[in-house]
Amino acid sequence: KNQVEQSPQSLIILEGKNCTLQCNYTVSPFSNLRWYKQDTGRGPVSLTIMTFSENTKSNGRYTATLDADTKQSSLHITASQLSDSASYICVVNSGYALNFGKGTSLLVTP
Amino acid sequence: ETGVTQTPRHLVMGMTNKKSLKCEQHLGHNAMYWYKQSAKKPLELMFVYNFKEQTENNSVPSRFSPECPNSSHLFLHLHTLQPEDSALYLCASSPVGPGELFFGEGSRLTVL
Repeated sequence: KNQVEQSPQSLIILEGKNCTLQCNYTVSPFSNLRWYKQDTGRGPVSLTIMTFSENTKSNGRYTATLDADTKQSSLHITASQLSDSASYICVVNSGYALNFGKGTSLLVTP
Repeated sequence: ETGVTQTPRHLVMGMTNKKSLKCEQHLGHNAMYWYKQSAKKPLELMFVYNFKEQTENNSVPSRFSPECPNSSHLFLHLHTLQPEDSALYLCASSPVGPGELFFGEGSRLTVL
């Protein structure tokens, strides 16, 4: 069964600190992996896409990594801001279906 | 603004009511989707429309009835819902196939 597991389920950090969110998957075949950010009361928005040949990709303070051999991805947030408070969802595309994780809820406090 | 607009944003209904959720996309996409989002669960795919034809019905109860009159509009008709149907219903669109999804802001449904 194709699965996407995210950890931690929730996380609280102080403003200015860094954090890393994890996504492990068993989806096969693999086409690509996206990280979405979902602000409270809003729909998810794509942050970055990782394809099989990419190991790391940055989007501002967000850096995603992918290890296709171990089927793991991470999203690293640098110098967190209050606006980073949101749910972060990992989505793995098998080429014919999207497989969603439950998300990590991040709270950045002053 | 993602280019996908959902109305209403909030809806409270009784179990015997009939209501509809509306979604409109201004992105020129050919695929539209309905997802259900419940607390502590992954997003659940409900329906997929490609070029206004339904291509996937993910074993959704018949009390949910989708309608796609054209590639820009998608409706979800609701009838005799149960309290466990309370959730955030998200509409999304994509150019074609399972690629990047562009979501609306969702319709928060509460069934009493």
